[in-house]
Amino acid sequence: DADVTQTPRNRITKTGKRIMLECSQTKGHDRMYWYRQDPGLGLRLIYYSFDVKDINKGEISDGYSVSRQAQAKFSLSLESAIPNQTALYFCATRGPGAASYNEQFFGPGTRLTVL
Amino acid sequence: RKEVEQDPGPFNVPEGATVAFNCTYSNSASQSFFWYRQDCRKEPKLLMSVYSSGNEDGRFTAQLNRASQYISLLIRDSKLSDSATYLCVVTSWQQNQGGKLIFGQGTELSVKP
Repeated sequence: DADVTQTPRNRITKTGKRIMLECSQTKGHDRMYWYRQDPGLGLRLIYYSFDVKDINKGEISDGYSVSRQAQAKFSLSLESAIPNQTALYFCATRGPGAASYNEQFFGPGTRLTVL
Repeated sequence: RKEVEQDPGPFNVPEGATVAFNCTYSNSASQSFFWYRQDCRKEPKLLMSVYSSGNEDGRFTAQLNRASQYISLLIRDSKLSDSATYLCVVTSWQQNQGGKLIFGQGTELSVKP
């Protein structure tokens, strides 16, 4: 079974709809991240969390919100989806400690299309 | 200017070729460096970390030049299975930033028979 899972894997929605993307991990990691990937732009950080009480904005947080329901779960919400939020969304986790060499582990991604 | 820049390619090479990818980063405070591999819009996976002294893992060699803020990845004896997008990644340890990863846009490699 995958260590980092995301649901749904694919979603098509309409402008103005609220949508939630969910991420769960079994790695026991404290740090969790949400990224979006757009062609030609690479992955960009939306939000990250060090534990259930620590939520931080990334470089492109406008239009998004997150919830860390438990150490193992980190959800991303689009309160009112717009077409330029069409992208591939990845959740990632990272283990504890100050070592910045710690690898991040990514989920399989959610392909979101906003019409 | 992007914080991490790569040649997007695509690089089309025959099997057995040697191919080199280059990457530059703009933040001199960057501390850690990685190459990630991404297959066909699947999730990125760590290929290798990059150390100042340079490091090798089988057919893959990574180099770092801090003075020039330049990272490279060399793939020798390319295999069909090496076809993927290679992402250059840097991170700087800032207080409470948790080692945020900064990604280049990726370089696409296609290895042909």
